[in-house]
Amino acid sequence: DAGITQSPRHKVTETGTPVTLRCHQTENHRYMYWYRQDPGHGLRLIHYSYGVKDTDKGEVSDGYSVSRSKTEDFLLTLESATSSQTSVYFCAIRGGGSQETQYFGPGTRLLVL
Amino acid sequence: AQKVTQAQTEISVVEKEDVTLDCVYETRDTTYYLFWYKQPPSGELVFLIRRNSFDEQNEISGRYSWNFQKSTSSFNFTITASQVVDSAVYFCALSEYSGAGSYQLTFGKGTKLSVIP
Repeated sequence: DAGITQSPRHKVTETGTPVTLRCHQTENHRYMYWYRQDPGHGLRLIHYSYGVKDTDKGEVSDGYSVSRSKTEDFLLTLESATSSQTSVYFCAIRGGGSQETQYFGPGTRLLVL
Repeated sequence: AQKVTQAQTEISVVEKEDVTLDCVYETRDTTYYLFWYKQPPSGELVFLIRRNSFDEQNEISGRYSWNFQKSTSSFNFTITASQVVDSAVYFCALSEYSGAGSYQLTFGKGTKLSVIP
């Protein structure tokens, strides 16, 4: 158990509304990641963070922004949700020490109508 | 750009059969990591194994074994004597250094394994 929680776990929203997903970790990991999972695509990286206020884009960052104001929380925001952003969103942390392994949260299922 | 190919989209086996899940990767780096993750029907992603590019030793963990071959850029996963609880989607992933001390994972599209009782 890597001590990762995601909230909400499920959300239904309407096109055009803003949505914020939260990832919370309890073990002071420096690196955090947001992925989306879609059928036929596996998991794709949206954004990642390598420290407080330090973030960078991933493969599918368009339409998403992130913020990390404290070590334990990494927020993913959809400024104006679209139906193409219906997906399952996973947060991950990178294990400590020399480990390069990423451990995943339970996921958030988002439906944009 | 790195790439991970899992050519088998879905596999069905009868319980107690052995099954191998294939993973082929592409990378220009000499230092990289390979992973397998399991996603059971409940949806969470479970880490199974990590292998770095300098360690080509095969690994066995109970009924699971992994065959890493740099010459063919493959990292295949075998389940021996499959059980119904092995039914899941399995993802292979490749990690390369992306700067700022961070490694980025690229995932294959996954192989859905169904074990029939």
